[in-house]
Amino acid sequence: EVQLVESGGGLVQPGRSLKLSCAASGFTFSNYYMAWVRQAPTKGLEWVASITNSGGSTYYRDSVKGRFTISRDNAKSTLYLQMDSLRSEDTATYYCTRGLRMVRSFAYWGQGTLVTVSS
Amino acid sequence: DIQMTQSPSFLSASVGERVTLSCRASQNINKYLDWYQQKLGEAPKLLIYNTNNLHTGIPSRFSGSGSGTDYTLTISSLQPEDVATYFCLQRNSWPDTFGAGTKLELK
Repeated sequence: EVQLVESGGGLVQPGRSLKLSCAASGFTFSNYYMAWVRQAPTKGLEWVASITNSGGSTYYRDSVKGRFTISRDNAKSTLYLQMDSLRSEDTATYYCTRGLRMVRSFAYWGQGTLVTVSS
Repeated sequence: DIQMTQSPSFLSASVGERVTLSCRASQNINKYLDWYQQKLGEAPKLLIYNTNNLHTGIPSRFSGSGSGTDYTLTISSLQPEDVATYFCLQRNSWPDTFGAGTKLELK
C-alpha cells in the first residue's frame, strides 16, 4: 500500500524558514516523480513544486521560485520542501504527492501538514 | 499561465442521477487533464488522468471525455458517497493549474 506521511508543519513568523518532510513507503520511491501541492484554508488547490525520480530536474511555481527548494533522498525514500523567507500567503496545508509511472498526475496524496505563517 | 474554468461552481443532484461537470482551459491542453475528488476534511484523490483514464480503484460510474480546451467528468449514477468537491487539473504546460472546483451536493 502506498503511504505518504508529511511532517514539519507548524506556526512560523514571516521571513523565517521551515522544512517539510514526506516519508514514503509501499513502493519503489526512486521510480516516481514527486510533487508538493498546497491548499490555503477554505481555498482551492495550488501546485507548488515537482521533482523528477532521479532528482535531476526540479520545477517551481513563480511565487515560490528562489524561496522554496524541493529535494529528495532516494536512499531514505523521503521527499523534502525547504521553505525560506516565508510569507503570510504561504499559509496552507501542504500535501506530498506521487505520480504514476510515465505520467506526472498527482496519483497518491499524503494527509497533509499545516503551515501557518503569522507574527 | 493556463486558466482552468470549472462549471458549475455548485451542483445539487439526486441519488441515481447522471451528473456532468465541465472544465474549460484558456488554451489547448492536448488532453493532459486530470480530475480529482476531495471530500470534506480529506486529501484529494485522483479519479481520472489524461482525460479518460480511470485511476486504480475508482468506480466505473466515473468517466471523462474531452479534447482541445473543453473537458467533462461524468458520474453515470450519483451515489451518496460522491458528495465532494471536484477539481480539474491541466498538466500540458508549467505551471500545472487547477480549476476552482465544483461542489457537488445531494438534493
